[in-house]
Amino acid sequence: KAGVTQTPRYLIKTRGQQVTLSCSPISGHRSVSWYQQTPGQGLQFLFEYFSETQRNKGNFPGRFSGRQFSNSRSEMNVSTLELGDSALYLCASSHGTSGATDTQYFGPGTRLTVL
Amino acid sequence: AQKVTQAQTEISVVEKEDVTLDCVYETRDTTYYLFWYKQPPSGELVFLIRRNSFDEQNEISGRYSWNFQKSTSSFNFTITASQVVDSAVYFCALSEEETSGSRLTFGEGTQLTVNP
Repeated sequence: KAGVTQTPRYLIKTRGQQVTLSCSPISGHRSVSWYQQTPGQGLQFLFEYFSETQRNKGNFPGRFSGRQFSNSRSEMNVSTLELGDSALYLCASSHGTSGATDTQYFGPGTRLTVL
Repeated sequence: AQKVTQAQTEISVVEKEDVTLDCVYETRDTTYYLFWYKQPPSGELVFLIRRNSFDEQNEISGRYSWNFQKSTSSFNFTITASQVVDSAVYFCALSEEETSGSRLTFGEGTQLTVNP
């Protein structure tokens, strides 16, 4: 079974631009969660989508948004990029039907650098 | 609010030594789940184990073992006879039943270096 895939793997943008990251979950998984990893703040939860609906949201500004498609693939968008948005963005998928008990499986991440 | 603390930022050992990674958590929920993940230099988080709050049995899987103690809110991870391939950052994480859906709160991570 193929794992979680994320594209692109690396991205360089400049301040003020916007960016879209993509995540394809493990086949059969309906929940996709996004996390931001930085040296200063560690791993932080952004949001979770299940059946095309946002089910959970972390404490990030509205510049961070996401969506999920009917095939469970998910995209994350960051508008008006700031230097502090430079991070590794990790996507995780799970079955989604067991809530907190579900094990999340992570993709390789997208490394975003904002100049 | 939930919180996970991994007090050990970095640990360095010599191959074949045993090493224990500490994890302490805080939660008000009575039903919760604890996880350990490994992050090698490639960046991908690799799932190692999940434990629910009702199951305090210790678990052993090969060279890995986990000790869950509700009385001290700890979920420690021991690697026996460490190997160079064990070098990675290890994260402890918590999810709460009252949060509908999946949401992991991670600790700061422990960088383990195993030297030959």
